[in-house]
Amino acid sequence: EVQLAESGGGLVKPGGSLSLSCAASGFSFTNAWMNWVRQAPGKGLEWVGRIKSKTDGGTTDHAAPVKGRFTISRDDSNNRLYLQMNSLKTEDTGVYYCTTDPRDCSGGNCYSAGFDHWGQGTLVTVSS
Amino acid sequence: SYELTQPPSVSVSPGQTATITCSGDALPKQYAYWYRQKPGQAPVLLIYKDRERPSGIPERFSGSSSGTTVTLTISGVQAEDEADYYCQSADSSGMSWVFGGGTKLTV
Repeated sequence: EVQLAESGGGLVKPGGSLSLSCAASGFSFTNAWMNWVRQAPGKGLEWVGRIKSKTDGGTTDHAAPVKGRFTISRDDSNNRLYLQMNSLKTEDTGVYYCTTDPRDCSGGNCYSAGFDHWGQGTLVTVSS
Repeated sequence: SYELTQPPSVSVSPGQTATITCSGDALPKQYAYWYRQKPGQAPVLLIYKDRERPSGIPERFSGSSSGTTVTLTISGVQAEDEADYYCQSADSSGMSWVFGGGTKLTV
C-alpha cells in the first residue's frame, strides 16, 4: 500500500524558514517523480513544484510564486521528499501535500499518469 | 501566467448527469487531469490523460476533450459525489502544472 506522510508544518513568522518532509513507502520511491501541492484555507489547489527521479535527471521545477524561495530535494536512500521554504510570506499559509506522479509510457512517449497518491497534508501558517 | 477556467459551481439532482468544463489555451497540446476533493480530505485522481480512469474509479466518471475545453462527466450522480472538482494541466512549455479554480458540485 502506498503511503505518504508529510511532517514539519507549524507556525512561522513572515520572513522565516520552515522545512517539510514527506516519508514515502509502498512503492519504488527511487524511480518516482514527486510533487508538492498546497491549498490555502478555503481556496483551491496550487502546484508548488516537482522533482524528477534521478534516472530522469533529478531536476526540479518550481511554480513562479515560490521560485527562488522554495527548494525541493529528495533522499532516495531514506525514501524521503523535502521542501525547504525560505523568506516565507503570509500568502504561503496553507496545507502542503506531497504527491506521487507516475509516468505512463504505454504509447512510446512518457506522460504523467496524474497525481495518483497524496499524503494527508501538513499545515503551514505564516503569521506575525 | 497560464490559467485554467472552471465554473465555480454546478448543481444537479441525484441520478442525473453532471458536466464540469475546464478551459485553457494549451489544452489542445497538453493532457488534462481531474480530481475530486471532499471537505477535510486530500484530493483523489479521477481521470488522467484526458479520458483514462485509474483503477478503482467507477465507470460513471468519464473525461473528454475538444479544442481548448476538457469536460468531466459524472453519470448517475449520487449524493456522495457532492465535492469540489479540479482540473489540472501543464502550461505550453510542459514545465509547470496548473490547477483550475475548482467547481463545487452540489447534489
